[in-house]
This record gives sequence, C-alpha cells and structure tokens, in this order.
Amino acid sequence: DAKTTQPNSMESNEEEPVHLPCNHSTISGTDYIHWYRQLPSQGPEYVIHGLTSNVNNRMASLAIAEDRKSSTLILHRATLRDAAVYYCILRDVGGWGKLQFGAGTQVVVTP
Amino acid sequence: AAGVIQSPRHLIKEKRETATLKCYPIPRHDTVYWYQQGPGQDPQFLISFYEKMQSDKGSIPDRFSAQQFSDYHSELNMSSLELGDSALYFCASSFPLAGSGNEQFFGPGTRLTVL
Repeated sequence: DAKTTQPNSMESNEEEPVHLPCNHSTISGTDYIHWYRQLPSQGPEYVIHGLTSNVNNRMASLAIAEDRKSSTLILHRATLRDAAVYYCILRDVGGWGKLQFGAGTQVVVTP
Repeated sequence: AAGVIQSPRHLIKEKRETATLKCYPIPRHDTVYWYQQGPGQDPQFLISFYEKMQSDKGSIPDRFSAQQFSDYHSELNMSSLELGDSALYFCASSFPLAGSGNEQFFGPGTRLTVL
C-alpha cells in the first residue's frame, strides 16, 4: 500500500489558517486521498477526501498537486476545537475500504 | 442524527479472561470496521464486514474473532486476554462498501484494560 508522510506537529494561532502538508510520492492512479482527524479521547472523524481536483467542504479544503504526489489540507480559520491529530490516508478505489493510519500531524491551536 | 454505538464504553478484565465488545452501526450502514488503538499509538485496522460476511482482515490476533449479525451489529470476541490487549477499540460503519470515497463514521470506542 502507498505510504504517506506528514510532519509530526504544527502550531497555529486561533482564527488563522492552517496548512497541513502530506507527501505521497508512491500514490497510484486508483488511490483516493482521505483526511481524518482525531480529537482527544474521541474516535477518528472524517474531514475531506479527493482524487485529482481540489475539494472544499464546510470543514476544510483539500489542495492536490497536479502530479498527485502531495496534497495540503487547509483549515481556513483554526479554532481551539480544531486541535487534534490529522491523518492523511490513501484508499484504493478497488479496495475494501479499510483505513490505514500512519503517523499523523498533531495540530496545536493557541488562543 | 444517529451515531455508531459501542458497548461497553469501559471494560476491565484479568489476564487470560475473555471479553466481548459490541458495535451498533448507523441505521442502513451495511459495513462495519474494527480498529485497535494502543496507548500513544495510531489506530490499526483489525477486521471488517460487509453484509454479514468478512470483507477484509488486518493484524488481528488469532485469539480474536468477530462477526456481523443479521441486524448488522457486530461483536468482537477476545479470548486469552494479554496485557498488550489493553487499548481503545473503535468500531466504524459506512454505506455502501463500494467506492473508496465513502466516509467511515466512528463510534466513541471501548477502552479495554487488562490487569
């Protein structure tokens, strides 16, 4: 399975944007890019996903590089509630849907 | 909106005992996934079911077994418990299985402590 690489941690001030990078240089043409986050003492929570085009939803935006070897999750205005571990995960379109969590990015939001 | 329900929320067992964790997916979700998260670790996929049949298997010990019932709820049975089984166990559900774009909805988890 293709692997992702994320920074261990990132810090942001409240109400400022946060850009979370993810490298996936071995991504295959059938891999979707998914982002989940896990708040303290909670189960993971879906954030966003995409295949080739940039995507926006109420939680975040996903910018995918033209060669798909990297992507960036953008939280437009960080709040204290956004403090969590963010996971970038590749899911094959032909697979059974399991999520393979790697080492995510711990986002710290300071007031 | 209905969410994934897991029971019990907390469970304390002795070594070599057995434990059963239950998961009730969101209504109309036909796929269930189990994940294990050890202390300070990331979640690891254990096993999944689609329409009551096992669909995928991860790093699940032979001492563990699971099934999905006709009402789509799932149970994870753990025998001969070891100290290393102490972890958070998450269940997630999704509908339908096809299409890797479908998001998984996670339950609050069961915290298992083995003494």
